[in-house]
Formats: sequence, structure tokens, C-alpha cells
Amino acid sequence: EVQLVESGGGLVKPGGSLRLSCAASEMTFRNYGMSWVRQAPGKGLEWVSSSSSSGSYKFYAESVKGRFTISRDNAKSLLFLQMNNLRVEDTAVYFCAREGDDTLTGYSPSWFDPWGQGTLVTVSS
Amino acid sequence: EIVLTQSPATLSMSPEDRATLSCRASQSVTSNLAWYQQKPGQAPRLLIYGASTRATGIPARFTGSGSGTEFTLTISGLQSEDFAVYYCQHYNDWPYTFGQGTKLEIE
Repeated sequence: EVQLVESGGGLVKPGGSLRLSCAASEMTFRNYGMSWVRQAPGKGLEWVSSSSSSGSYKFYAESVKGRFTISRDNAKSLLFLQMNNLRVEDTAVYFCAREGDDTLTGYSPSWFDPWGQGTLVTVSS
Repeated sequence: EIVLTQSPATLSMSPEDRATLSCRASQSVTSNLAWYQQKPGQAPRLLIYGASTRATGIPARFTGSGSGTEFTLTISGLQSEDFAVYYCQHYNDWPYTFGQGTKLEIE
């Protein structure tokens, strides 16, 4: 069974930085696009960022563009989200999620399956 | 950015009832629409992709339909484990967006 396990969340002051990690297992990580999706307390889901399997293509929500960077280490089956200049409104549970296998057809938009259990990021002074 | 509007915000039903959830897109997403179920404290779970294809392991009582801008998730014969929040998501292009969710609660 595919497993995605996020880590790296915590409490940080406004303007601070955090790096989230997502460890994948039981899947050929290097074949799949991956995304980060967040959920503020008591709110709905918000897509944050996506990466193609190779890491060559990256997309960001306008709300995080210029502050967050998605990256991956395919040799270690790890996905990262570097979050800089954090704001109070970035407080949320951050989920990583798998997209489609893009090795044959190229990177294209996809649904998310499965999801990790999430890691909580709290931005507060 | 494509806006997805889900209705109703809350749906009160009884076990064994049939629930109908709606998702409307601000512009056509063809069939590039997914549905997710989320229970408190858990990650979302994929139910439907391609507007009407059930994900692996999803019971047949979950049915997705629609295309273009109007989509429906129907749950026939509600079971106790089906009471949760449901989200639609388009993947027609980036940025992806989600609907605001429909909470399915026990009446």
C-alpha cells in the first residue's frame, strides 16, 4: 500500500521559515507528479504547489508564489516544501498527495490519490 | 482561476437515504473533475475521478455524473460511515481549485 508521511510542521513566527518533507513508500516515486495541499483550521482544501516527476515543471498558487518552493529528491523518495516569509494566513495542515504517472504521456493535471496524513504549520507571534 | 461552487453547504439525511451533492464550475472543465470524502481528523480520500470513474475500493453506492460545468455526486443507501464532508476538485489546468465542501450530516 502506498504511504505518504509528512513531517517538519511546527510553530513559527511571522516572517519565519519552515521546510516540510513528505516521505513516500511502496511506490515508484520518480514516476509520479506530486502536490502539496493545505487546509486552514475549520476550512476547506487549498492547492498550494505541484511538481512533475522529474521536478522540471513546478506550479504554485498565487497566494504562495515567490515565498514557497517545491522540490524533490527522487533517489530518496522525498518531496519538500520550503516555506519562507510565512504569514499568519499560512497556518494550516499541509498534506502531500500523489498525482498521475507522467513518465509516458508527460506531465498533465491530475487528481490526488493517495494523500498523506498531514503536518500542522502554525504561524503566530 | 476556475471557481467551483458546491451545494448545498450542509445536507441532513438519514441512513438508507439517497444523497445528491452538486458541484458547479465557473467555466467548462470537461470531465476533469474529482470528488473526495474527508472525515474529521483524516486526510481526504479520493472517491471519483474523470467525473464518473470510481477510485479503487470505492463502493458502488457512490456515483459521479456530469460534464462541462455541472457535476453531481450521488450516494445511494447512505451508510453511517458516509457522513462526512465532500469536496469536488477540478484538474482541467493549473491552478487546481476545490469547492468549498458539502457537509453530509445525520438528520
